[in-house]
Amino acid sequence: EPEVTQTPSHQVTQMGQEVILRCVPISNHLYFYWYRQILGQKVEFLVSFYNNEISEKSEIFDDQFSVERPDGSNFTLKIRSTKLEDSAMYFCASTWDSNQPQHFGDGTRLSIL
Amino acid sequence: AQRVTQPEKLLSVFKGAPVELKCNYSYSGSPELFWYVQYSRQRLQLLLRHISRESIKGFTADLNKGETSFHLKKPFAQEEDSAMYYCALGTNFGNEKLTFGTGTRLTIIP
Repeated sequence: EPEVTQTPSHQVTQMGQEVILRCVPISNHLYFYWYRQILGQKVEFLVSFYNNEISEKSEIFDDQFSVERPDGSNFTLKIRSTKLEDSAMYFCASTWDSNQPQHFGDGTRLSIL
Repeated sequence: AQRVTQPEKLLSVFKGAPVELKCNYSYSGSPELFWYVQYSRQRLQLLLRHISRESIKGFTADLNKGETSFHLKKPFAQEEDSAMYYCALGTNFGNEKLTFGTGTRLTIIP
């Protein structure tokens, strides 16, 4: 069964540095999402992306965050200048239709020092 | 605003006993409800969605709009059911974004 893949599985970065989290959605999927889960808290929606543009974003997704689909396969989340509170598990998800369930990747654990 | 409440962070049940994981939601529109499961060291996987009305791995969930609930039930717990369970709410016509509950860690006692 095809899967959403995320790299790296764990990223450690100094505060203030830029970080890029990578996702390869399932190949025929058209809708892409990023979520995050701070340790001990619930999974929170960050952003959804369709047709090469953001379709919805949450309050968390401020100017420090950006998403990109640089080619036909990757979907990236960039945090421009990381803060300690950005430490979390980041999940990518995709679906071929917004009425269909989202498929999640394994997540990237981001640790900001 | 959308909200999902899972009142139990932890739930322990003996093998063979019935299981009920509670989920309540708040949403002014027409909700779409899901249960996702996360087994140890694995990804979030869809378990159930309310519109399909399926039974997966013996689990069922019925949407009760009057009580704004979508409780997950299984009549006889099995050891392999031990996992983290998340209730999630989709909005608009589908699931443009998902609002998750805080999750319930279910432990099945042998």
